[in-house]
Amino acid sequence: AQKITQTQPGMFVQEKEAVTLDCTYDTSDPSYGLFWYKQPSSGEMIFLIYQGSYDQQNATEGRYSLNFQKARKSANLVISASQLGDSAMYFCAMREGANYGQNFVFGPGTRLSVLP
Amino acid sequence: DGGITQSPKYLFRKEGQNVTLSCEQNLNHDAMYWYRQDPGQGLRLIYYSQIVNDFQKGDIAEGYSVSREKKESFPLTVTSAQKNPTAFYLCASSITVLGEQYFGPGTRLTVT
Repeated sequence: AQKITQTQPGMFVQEKEAVTLDCTYDTSDPSYGLFWYKQPSSGEMIFLIYQGSYDQQNATEGRYSLNFQKARKSANLVISASQLGDSAMYFCAMREGANYGQNFVFGPGTRLSVLP
Repeated sequence: DGGITQSPKYLFRKEGQNVTLSCEQNLNHDAMYWYRQDPGQGLRLIYYSQIVNDFQKGDIAEGYSVSREKKESFPLTVTSAQKNPTAFYLCASSITVLGEQYFGPGTRLTVT
């Protein structure tokens, strides 16, 4: 079964508008972490934001915020005031448990295109 | 500047040859990882290492080998046993296995 689901293969947003990229996850472990990465066409993966399962508040980093709804097992990325440079693939990832580096899985990604 | 370097950026090999991809980090991170990415796909874990002289198989380790003799270095060898080696390979590191992973620029391997 898919541990990370990103249901939007592609998204379009107008420059300066906000956009939400969806991510749902599946785990029975009470301790986990959720991550978002950006992959521009150059191929490098850029870490954006992290949310721990025990964190009470939603994580924010500049224009990025994570809408964490634990009961629904969703961790959507919100990008405010989109810029042309935000056009890229976006991956949601999850680390399960506290002991093993192996338990770090990525979703299939969402391609975001920002329109001028 | 601290970071992760991977070389070369593009690599071409003939089928049947082993090839080694380099990954070096100067972030003083304990954990290092190798991922494979196929076109239009997410990342799949090949191997990871929590500390020097230790490494564990990931989901798709068959046909690959690694070593971790130094903290800074985690080279990946793609052997001739790997049936579909053409892919984009990404190396990452994290302070520990609990932390966020930071990635290198990747190596695009083409085997013909």
